[in-house]
Amino acid sequence: GENVEQHPSTLSVQEGDSAVIKCTYSDSASNYFPWYKQELGKGPQLIIDIRSNVGEKKDQRIAVTLNKTAKHFSLHITETQPEDSAVYFCAAANQAGTALIFGKGTTLSVSS
Amino acid sequence: EPEVTQTPSHQVTQMGQEVILRCVPISNHLYFYWYRQILGQKVEFLVSFYNNEISEKSEIFDDQFSVERPDGSNFTLKIRSTKLEDSAMYFCASKFLQSNSPLHFGNGTRLTVT
Repeated sequence: GENVEQHPSTLSVQEGDSAVIKCTYSDSASNYFPWYKQELGKGPQLIIDIRSNVGEKKDQRIAVTLNKTAKHFSLHITETQPEDSAVYFCAAANQAGTALIFGKGTTLSVSS
Repeated sequence: EPEVTQTPSHQVTQMGQEVILRCVPISNHLYFYWYRQILGQKVEFLVSFYNNEISEKSEIFDDQFSVERPDGSNFTLKIRSTKLEDSAMYFCASKFLQSNSPLHFGNGTRLTVT
């Protein structure tokens, strides 16, 4: 089945810096890759997603890139703000689309 | 914006007792999920449900677990005889289409088994 690895587990940046989180997946048939932000005491909230027919997608300060050949995808947050501090999870959908498999998460801390 | 709602937010139960966690998915969604998150760990897939039957389940979803959609709005997870290691956050999620569509999560039920 699908396996998703995520790095780093923790990331500390200064306000205004960029943050990059990387994930790899194992199943070459996976075709949907969302990113979720989880704040304390809340459920994961979708922030951006990318499908396998696209190499890059951007939404304001957030961008995601996908390299299907290497089976890895990354989240880029520019001009980070303290409110970006949270746990970020990458995920990959299995081939049937019946389940999302999550990475272990990255705790992002943005200090002002 | 429509959201997935879960009740209760916190459930405390004794080992061996049965618990039912409740969820109201987004109204026009067709696919329903339960995930589990042990404190500080990743979000783990338990089960997916479509057209009144289980589509897929993980190794975690053993005979102690069951899911049901008893009416047109609720989606429940039952744990028959809880164990200490069932203590976790349980998230319900739903989506409209099977593949390549966003999965929306509720805020979870924290289950504590004592």
